[in-house]
Amino acid sequence: ELKVEQNPLFLSMQEGKNYTIYCNYSTTSDRLYWYRQDPGKSLESLFVLLSNGAVKQEGRLMASLDTKARLSTLHITAAVHDLSATYFCAVHGSSNTGKLIFGQGTTLQVKP
Amino acid sequence: DAMVIQNPRYQVTQFGKPVTLSCSQTLNHNVMYWYQQKSSQAPKLLFHYYDKDFNNEADTPDNFQSRRPNTSFCFLDIRSPGLGDAAMYLCATSRTGANYGYTFGSGTRLTVV
Repeated sequence: ELKVEQNPLFLSMQEGKNYTIYCNYSTTSDRLYWYRQDPGKSLESLFVLLSNGAVKQEGRLMASLDTKARLSTLHITAAVHDLSATYFCAVHGSSNTGKLIFGQGTTLQVKP
Repeated sequence: DAMVIQNPRYQVTQFGKPVTLSCSQTLNHNVMYWYQQKSSQAPKLLFHYYDKDFNNEADTPDNFQSRRPNTSFCFLDIRSPGLGDAAMYLCATSRTGANYGYTFGSGTRLTVV
């Protein structure tokens, strides 16, 4: 059974600081997703990582994937308050229907 | 714009009174999913339709059912809502055979009183 684990689950940081969220998964997968969720809202797609060594960047967020280690990271550079949200990684299951299995989520709080 | 639309955004229902949530899509995606997300938790897959084929997760309560009358629409029926069913319900779509992502609707927040 595919399991996805994130750490940390809660992260409080000052504006301007850098930090990394980690996402480990238990079985091989060909796709990994990062989502952002604001309170009371749905999921907003941030990144789709399709291959080993994939790196994608958007603004202050950069995501990478190491399929051999079954690890993805979401790096935050010079955090700003607007990045405060919950971040989920999700792994595509191996079935043809491609079920998404989510990590527990990391709640990021950026203090001014 | 092509999208996934969930109605209503907020639904209040009485304990034990059947309720239906709806999801429609203009993407022509062949797979549709229903996720339940309780407060401060990750989304949890309830079931999905692969074309017309219904796939139930093993731990989805019998209280939850779904219908997909055509490609565009999918419904989530909760036969006898309990207080523990209060959650955000997310509909998502995807297309098999390609490296497409998933498109999520805006969700329906269900309150049970």
